Amino acid sequence: AQSVTQLGSHVSVSEGALVLLRCNYSSSVPPYLFWYVQYPNQGLQLLLKYTSAATLVKGINGFEAEFKKSETSFHLTKPSAHMSDAAEYFCAVSINYGQNFVFGPGTRLSVLP
Amino acid sequence: GAGVSQSPRYKVTKRGQDVALRCDPISGHVSLYWYRQALGQGPEFLTYFNYEAQQDKSGLPNDRFSAERPEGSISTLTIQRTEQRDSAMYRCASSLGLAGALGNEQFFGPGTRLTVL
Repeated sequence: AQSVTQLGSHVSVSEGALVLLRCNYSSSVPPYLFWYVQYPNQGLQLLLKYTSAATLVKGINGFEAEFKKSETSFHLTKPSAHMSDAAEYFCAVSINYGQNFVFGPGTRLSVLP
Repeated sequence: GAGVSQSPRYKVTKRGQDVALRCDPISGHVSLYWYRQALGQGPEFLTYFNYEAQQDKSGLPNDRFSAERPEGSISTLTIQRTEQRDSAMYRCASSLGLAGALGNEQFFGPGTRLTVL
């Protein structure tokens, strides 16, 4: 079975500062990994995905994530936070490319002016 | 439509009542997924369809939960004899290709918030 942990249910950063949202997974087989963002009253939007190609994955809105097998991690980063990045972020793992995702509990990102 | 739509957006019901939640996927999307999201948690997989066929219902909590997609488009998630523990956000997603196909992306709807009193 797969599982996802996200360290920190709430992360606050200043505008312009580095964003780092942590995701660790467990999977008995090589996983597919995803980051989704959820804005208030909206559905989840795919930010980026790892599908066993490049380990450094670039997504929308300047976000990127690096797959580190040795650390079973897929942390999400952005060099400079914008106010519009304030949202909830979910990491998810799937072993069969999205037939059924296992989501982490989410991290709420606040961006301070 | 432009995106996945769900109705109603909010549903308040009394314990013991049946509820039906509707999902209207993006036009042409062949796969449809249902998730449940408790407050402060990530979405939890319930079931999914390829076209009208239900492929996996392993995530449905018990036999009070059922889903159908009779014509391969709109889907209904039905909860019978609701209980307070059923209160959650119920999310639907659809994808253009078949579930499990590499490169497939799930597009999520805004969800239905169900409150059981």
